[in-house]
Amino acid sequence: NAGVTQTPKFQVLKTGQSMTLQCAQDMNHEYMSWYRQDPGMGLRLIHYSVGAGITDQGEVPNGYNVSRSTTEDFPLRLLSAAPSQTSVYFCASGQRVGNTEAFFGQGTRLTVV
Amino acid sequence: EDQVTQSPEALRLQEGESSSLNCSYTVSGLRGLFWYRQDPGKGPEFLFTLYSAGEEKEKERLKATLTKKESFLHITAPKPEDSATYLCAVQAVNSGYSTLTFGKGTMLLVSP
Repeated sequence: NAGVTQTPKFQVLKTGQSMTLQCAQDMNHEYMSWYRQDPGMGLRLIHYSVGAGITDQGEVPNGYNVSRSTTEDFPLRLLSAAPSQTSVYFCASGQRVGNTEAFFGQGTRLTVV
Repeated sequence: EDQVTQSPEALRLQEGESSSLNCSYTVSGLRGLFWYRQDPGKGPEFLFTLYSAGEEKEKERLKATLTKKESFLHITAPKPEDSATYLCAVQAVNSGYSTLTFGKGTMLLVSP
């Protein structure tokens, strides 16, 4: 049981480049989300999805796009990378109903130069 | 706006020296309060969920408690392997779906 899998683990981008961070879960969870973690800021919600075809914005959505075509996958797209997007990105999944905990991936460390 | 404040920011303990971490929260209606452990370079790992004031949960050397305004994570006779950053998060009743508001964490270092 792999849980939540994120790829890549590390990435360096140049300002203005685009890329997609991949996230896949094998627990049949309806809910998936993306967080970024910055020193002294804690985890902040970027986007989330409550099921295939449904997405919504979190606290810090600017500069990021998401889509949810399947239950398993929830990719995060950076359209034009900026140095302010240098961060560690975590994908999480959980059950939609009830207070079940979120399961987190191992993270993607992104540096934009 | 939901807010979570954790204290202290960092805590250094000797092995066997018990202590508590604090999580103060402001939320319009609490659906659940979560504690996570995060090791360097890893994603957060779920520890506990608390739903109502007075509730307590235990796991090995950790015990989490909840009041109407704060939660404590008590660590009894800690070991070096308990060293990690401990995160607190709340889920509000009006948050829609499973969105969590996190505190900044408490970095715990347990020395042998």
